[in-house]
Amino acid sequence: DTEVTQTPKHLVMGMTNKKSLKCEQHMGHRAMYWYKQKAKKPPELMFVYSYEKLSINESVPSRFSPECPNSSLLNLHLHALQPEDSALYLCASSLGQGYGNTIYFGEGSWLTVV
Amino acid sequence: EDQVTQSPEALRLQEGESSSLNCSYTVSGLRGLFWYRQDPGKGPEFLFTLYSAGEEKEKERLKATLTKKESFLHITAPKPEDSATYLCAVQAPSNAGNMLTFGGGTRLMVKP
Repeated sequence: DTEVTQTPKHLVMGMTNKKSLKCEQHMGHRAMYWYKQKAKKPPELMFVYSYEKLSINESVPSRFSPECPNSSLLNLHLHALQPEDSALYLCASSLGQGYGNTIYFGEGSWLTVV
Repeated sequence: EDQVTQSPEALRLQEGESSSLNCSYTVSGLRGLFWYRQDPGKGPEFLFTLYSAGEEKEKERLKATLTKKESFLHITAPKPEDSATYLCAVQAPSNAGNMLTFGGGTRLMVKP
């Protein structure tokens, strides 16, 4: 079983709503990630946090706002999303951000924007 | 630009029929090649990491191998529970830190 826990597993939100996705890991990992995955496509990197600081933002629209409150928690705040943002959102973590560090994924949060 | 190509896109096997999945890559200075398994509606599950040509790793019915241009995931006597999408990804200096470049995946279906 994955040790990266994501909540909620399913979320339906309107285009004017504000919601958040949450992620937690207790493996002592210092790098945490958000990926977006559309059907039959590989995951696409959105954000990377290293030691609780945002280190990579892959030109993601500002309607997605990440937050890393501490080394175990990662949030993704959602506001004014579009239907095309509907996807599986994956949280992941790794021991560090250097080469050779394996990235472990959570089960994902299914987001539907109506 | 780094490229990762997986073939075939989809593969149907009978239970017990061994086969191989291919992951071809074009990167400058491979730092690691990763195999993941993904069940429908779930996150990718880590299987193997390979670092250098000639390296092999095994887990139950799966065996991953690596050359300078490609990696194979051999599946021996597959069972229906092996049905999943198998993703290959590489780390290379062109990507910051340990960022992954994924291939498109191979959807494996094993019929009883």
